Amino acid sequence: GQSLEQPSEVTAVEGAIVQINCTYQTSGFYGLSWYQQHDGGAPTFLSYNALDGLEETGRFSSFLSRSDSYGYLLLQELQMKDSASYFCAVRDHGGSQGNLIFGKGTKLSVKP
Amino acid sequence: DVKVTQSSRYLVKRTGEKVFLECVQDMDHENMFWYRQDPGLGLRLIYFSYDVKMKEKGDIPEGYSVSREKKERFSLILESASTNQTSMYLCASTNLNNEQFFGPGTRLTVL
Repeated sequence: GQSLEQPSEVTAVEGAIVQINCTYQTSGFYGLSWYQQHDGGAPTFLSYNALDGLEETGRFSSFLSRSDSYGYLLLQELQMKDSASYFCAVRDHGGSQGNLIFGKGTKLSVKP
Repeated sequence: DVKVTQSSRYLVKRTGEKVFLECVQDMDHENMFWYRQDPGLGLRLIYFSYDVKMKEKGDIPEGYSVSREKKERFSLILESASTNQTSMYLCASTNLNNEQFFGPGTRLTVL
């Protein structure tokens, strides 16, 4: 079967760094994405890794290792507004017709 | 900015009713998706569509159908609503960079 595993909850303090891991097992792999969702809101796109390595966008970075079927989202200088759920997602087909398989999400709580 | 809109934010229906959830995107995206989101289960794909008139089953299509008569509009239909279909329903469309843009969601309660 196809599955993505990520921790269900993570707690960290303001100003700290937190890493949310994601391991995947899918029939195809064409990239790993991360989405953020605040309570009551819709998921919003954060990052996409198609190749191995680290992608940095401001305070957020995302890493991928295809040989390990593993990636992570790194959040630096945590702020209270970063409290949200974070989902990893794998694109399982190439071309224009792939869809995303989502993990169950990691609820991040940032404490003062 | 890409905008994905859904016809209702909150909806209450009775068991057995036929329910229509509408989704419209304004960026000429070919791919559109319907998910349901439940606590502890994440986002589960119900149906998706690559083009007008085309549809593909996702992971949990039972009890649902879809319609894509125009490129910008993707409708989810619950043929006979049941209480286990009480959920948050999210529509999304995808650009060429594989980014999914989600609508605000429809929280459906079936009594």
